[in-house]
Amino acid sequence: AQSVTQLDSQVPVFEEAPVELRCNYSSSVSVYLFWYVQYPNQGLQLLLKYLSGSTLVKGINGFEAEFNKSQTSFHLRKPSVHISDTAEYFCAVRHQAGTALIFGKGTTLSVSS
Amino acid sequence: EAGVAQSPRYKIIEKRQSVAFWCNPISGHATLYWYQQILGQGPKLLIQFQNNGVVDDSQLPKDRFSAERLKGVDSTLKIQPAKLEDSAVYLCAWGSGNTIYFGEGSWLTVV
Repeated sequence: AQSVTQLDSQVPVFEEAPVELRCNYSSSVSVYLFWYVQYPNQGLQLLLKYLSGSTLVKGINGFEAEFNKSQTSFHLRKPSVHISDTAEYFCAVRHQAGTALIFGKGTTLSVSS
Repeated sequence: EAGVAQSPRYKIIEKRQSVAFWCNPISGHATLYWYQQILGQGPKLLIQFQNNGVVDDSQLPKDRFSAERLKGVDSTLKIQPAKLEDSAVYLCAWGSGNTIYFGEGSWLTVV
């Protein structure tokens, strides 16, 4: 069975600072990895995904994530955050196409000026 | 990606009442999911459909929750009778290739 652990429940940062949101997963098989963002009162929006190939993946809004198989991690990074990045971020895993996503508990990113 | 339409967006009911949520994929998608997201938690799968058939409903509380997908298109999720702990966002999602996309969600408050 797969599981996802988001290591930080809340991450407060100042505007224009870099940020890293941490995600670790456990699985006995190869997985696909995803980050979603949820703004207040909205659904989940796909930020980026790792399916195969290059371990560094770039997504929307200047976010990127790096897949590290040996450490079973998929941390999300942004070099300079904006106030508008304030949201809930979810890491998720699925072990093959056609199966459901398993989510972490989420990380609240709060960006202040 | 074409999305899904969900309704109602917001619903407040009293405990022991019933409620139904509707999901309409704007363009046809074979795989459809219902997730429950309780405040402060990540979404949890309730049920997965492949066309008309149920692929996974192992986490659906079948004593009070039911879901169907008629003709492999629209889907409804029903809760009867509702409990306070059912207060959550109910997200409809669809699969496209290796990726799952989500609708805007239906917010349920049970008082």
